[in-house]
Amino acid sequence: QIQLVQSGPELKKPGESVKISCKASGYTFTDYAMHWVKQAPGKGLKWMGWINTYTGKPTYADDFKGRFVFSLEASASTANLQISNLKNEDTATYFCARMTNYVMDAWGQGASVTVSS
Amino acid sequence: DVVLTQTPVSLSVTLGDQASISCRSSQSLEYSDGYTYLEWYLQKPGQSPQLLIYGVSNRFSGVPDRFIGSGSGTDFTLKISRVEPEDLGVYYCFQATHDPLTFGSGTKLEIK
Repeated sequence: QIQLVQSGPELKKPGESVKISCKASGYTFTDYAMHWVKQAPGKGLKWMGWINTYTGKPTYADDFKGRFVFSLEASASTANLQISNLKNEDTATYFCARMTNYVMDAWGQGASVTVSS
Repeated sequence: DVVLTQTPVSLSVTLGDQASISCRSSQSLEYSDGYTYLEWYLQKPGQSPQLLIYGVSNRFSGVPDRFIGSGSGTDFTLKISRVEPEDLGVYYCFQATHDPLTFGSGTKLEIK
């Protein structure tokens, strides 16, 4: 079956970096785009952008340009989200989601990032 | 950016009754190809969001026919008939017509 398995919780200090992984299985990784969604504690969902898993080209929403990087390890069917120069407001759960025909039909379990000094 | 306004913010419903959630868009969500990329997701407590409805009114695989999506242009509605305990959570509308893609602010469904 289709699965997206994300890496575990992270506790970081302001200014540090973090890398979250999303490992896909049960389908051909390069056939579907991978999207990223942020959910701050107690808040709603915010779309961050996506990466074309065939070409590796990332697209970022405006609020996520600069410190956020989407990347791939296609041979491992894995998408990654790296956040540099962490700020308190980056504390959130980050979801990866497979998109097909503009629909996010499979989601990872979420990866929690806590930024605290 | 397209703003999706969901009402109500929260909803308390008796088991077996109907629930209705509205999603209004700041722009028409009909794309130039004639399709409307409006979806509904449910996030149950402690879980990832899950797709319920796509293309305004199409139920995703395995979604009960109690969930009915409707609307066009800028006004959309999700109706849940005969609410069951497993329906509780936060419902989000989402649009993929315009870049950037955006979510509504969510509607929390509680069971009385």
